[in-house]
Amino acid sequence: KAGVTQTPRYLIKTRGQQVTLSCSPISGHRSVSWYQQTPGQGLQFLFEYFSETQRNKGNFPGRFSGRQFSNSRSEMNVSTLELGDSALYLCASSPEGAGNSPLHFGNGTRLTVT
Amino acid sequence: EDKVVQSPLSLVVHEGDTVTLNCSYEVTNFRSLLWYKQEKKAPTFLFMLTSSGIEKKSGRLSSILDKKELFSILNITATQTGDSAIYLCASVELGGATNKLIFGTGTLLAVQP
Repeated sequence: KAGVTQTPRYLIKTRGQQVTLSCSPISGHRSVSWYQQTPGQGLQFLFEYFSETQRNKGNFPGRFSGRQFSNSRSEMNVSTLELGDSALYLCASSPEGAGNSPLHFGNGTRLTVT
Repeated sequence: EDKVVQSPLSLVVHEGDTVTLNCSYEVTNFRSLLWYKQEKKAPTFLFMLTSSGIEKKSGRLSSILDKKELFSILNITATQTGDSAIYLCASVELGGATNKLIFGTGTLLAVQP
């Protein structure tokens, strides 16, 4: 079974630009969660999608948004990029969501904002 | 505010040593606790603990949960250089529509030859 796939692996953007990250979950997994990882803050929850609906959201500004498609693939968008958005963005999938079964993580997208 | 605290923040040991990593949590509606190992990119799942006092074991790694004192430990015996990684713990909080994962900042373990 293929694992969670995230694209692209690396991104370099400048302040003010926007970016879209993609995540393909493990086949059969309907829940996709997004996390931001920085050295000082650890993994911070962005949002979770299940069957194309956002059902949980972390404490991030509205510049961070996402969506999920009917095939469970998910995208995350960050608009008006700031230097502080530089981080590793991790996507995780599970059959039904956190707690019922472990999350399976992708390798992440490393975003650098200059 | 719900939180998960891991200690130590970092640790350097030599091959063959035994290490104990700590994770304490303050979560309103606790469901379970997860341990992950992160080497370069993707965190990989180690253990899920739901019941207090029952040790989970996988090779040289073991973990246990204490729901009364609100903590968990991860033990690694006979450490190897391949154990060098960030070890993350996360508590699962029961939510309305869905459960929520709260991660600690991790413990960086370096195993020297």
